Amino acid sequence: GAGVSQSPRYKVAKRGQDVALRCDPISGHVSLFWYQQALGQGPEFLTYFQNEAQLDKSGLPSDRFFAERPEGSVSTLKIQRTQQEDSAVYLCASSWADQETQYFGPGTRLLVL
Amino acid sequence: QKEVEQNSGPLSVPEGAIASLNCTYSDRGSQSFFWYRQYSGKSPELIMFIYSNGDKEDGRFTAQLNKASQYVSLLIRDSQPSDSATYLCAVKSPWSGGGADGLTFGKGTHLIIQP
Repeated sequence: GAGVSQSPRYKVAKRGQDVALRCDPISGHVSLFWYQQALGQGPEFLTYFQNEAQLDKSGLPSDRFFAERPEGSVSTLKIQRTQQEDSAVYLCASSWADQETQYFGPGTRLLVL
Repeated sequence: QKEVEQNSGPLSVPEGAIASLNCTYSDRGSQSFFWYRQYSGKSPELIMFIYSNGDKEDGRFTAQLNKASQYVSLLIRDSQPSDSATYLCAVKSPWSGGGADGLTFGKGTHLIIQP
C-alpha cells in the first residue's frame, strides 16, 4: 500500500515568510509524528497526534510553530515568520498506535534564505 | 533529558565482514528500541526493533539489547556496499498517560562498507 507522503518535497522561503508543510499518513494509522532533522543530526521530535488530538507538542521550538490534524488524517505543520535556523528537513511519521513502529515519509527540505 | 548516544563515525568495514554499531541511552524507563537506516538525502527506514533483553535476528541483521547496561547494538553480517548509510538508534519511553513522546534519536553512525 501507499506509504507516508509529504508535500512539498522542497521549499525555499525568504526569512519572515510563513510556510505550510503537509503530511498524508498511511491509511488507518492513528498516530502521527512530526520531526525536525538538521544537517548531520538525528531527527528531533516536534509533536504528536493521536487521531485529531495533539497529545504532545513539547518539541515545538517556539510559538512560531503550529501543527494541526483536524480530521484525524492529513496533518499540516505551519511555521510563521520563518528564520534561517528553521532550515532543516521536516519528517512526518505515522503508526497504528503510539507504541508501535513509526514509518517515515520522504520529508520536506526547507531552506530559509 | 533523555539522551541517546552513538559514535558518529565514519565506521569503515571491509565487504563481507561484520559491522558492529553501538548505542547507549540515558532513560532507564525506555522500553522500545529501534534501528533505522538513512541513506543520504532520504528518510529513515526501519531495520529492526527490539523490546526484550537479548538478541533478535532478522536475516543479516542482529539487534542486541542489554537494559541493565542501557546499551543496544546492531550487527550486520556479510556487509555489502549497499549497507553504506547512516544508522540511527532510536528509543521510545512508555506512554505516561499525559501524552506520548516520539522517538528520541541518536545522531547516527555513518557506516562505510569498502568493496
